[in-house]
Amino acid sequence: NAGVTQTPKFRVLKTGQSMTLLCAQDMNHEYMYWYRQDPGMGLRLIHYSVGEGTTAKGEVPDGYNVSRLKKQNFLLGLESAAPSQTSVYFCASREIAGAKNIQYFGAGTRLSVL
Amino acid sequence: AQKVTQAQTEISVVEKEDVTLDCVYETRDTTYYLFWYKQPPSGELVFLIRRNSFDEQNEISGRYSWNFQKSTSSFNFTITASQVVDSAVYFCALSVRNAGNMLTFGGGTRLMVKP
Repeated sequence: NAGVTQTPKFRVLKTGQSMTLLCAQDMNHEYMYWYRQDPGMGLRLIHYSVGEGTTAKGEVPDGYNVSRLKKQNFLLGLESAAPSQTSVYFCASREIAGAKNIQYFGAGTRLSVL
Repeated sequence: AQKVTQAQTEISVVEKEDVTLDCVYETRDTTYYLFWYKQPPSGELVFLIRRNSFDEQNEISGRYSWNFQKSTSSFNFTITASQVVDSAVYFCALSVRNAGNMLTFGGGTRLMVKP
């Protein structure tokens, strides 16, 4: 079982460059999330989606955009990368049913912006 | 707003010692869920346990046990007879029924188990 797959695993950008991080899940989950992890701060929610075609802002959305054109994919875009966006990015997904309410995470994408 | 505090940033123990990781949370919601995740050196996040606010029963799974106390807003995690493979960063997290049930994470506790 693949679960949640993130690509790429590593990336180095120059300030001002753009890129897209891809998250794919094969569990037919409705909800998908993008978090960033910075040292000593745990993970913080950037954007999330409660279903295909819907997205919403999380705690730290500035500088990021997202799209959920297909249920299994959730894309995170950086239009003009800044050094403050150097971080580890995690995607997660979960079932819509409340009984489980468990988020399953991908392996992460380590991004450095120089 | 929700908040999770893990006051212990780093703990170091010798193998076979017992260790408890503390987690204190804040929320005004009466319905909420608490989680623990493990992040080994390889970097992925591994789900360990979920507990809802209406279930205060403690849980044991092998060498792991969790103590949920609503009176003190705590959800502590104990590893009995620690092993080197337990070395990781452990995150406590909280979710409530809004904002897509997002997880609010604590800052994490780095556990180092030395042989």
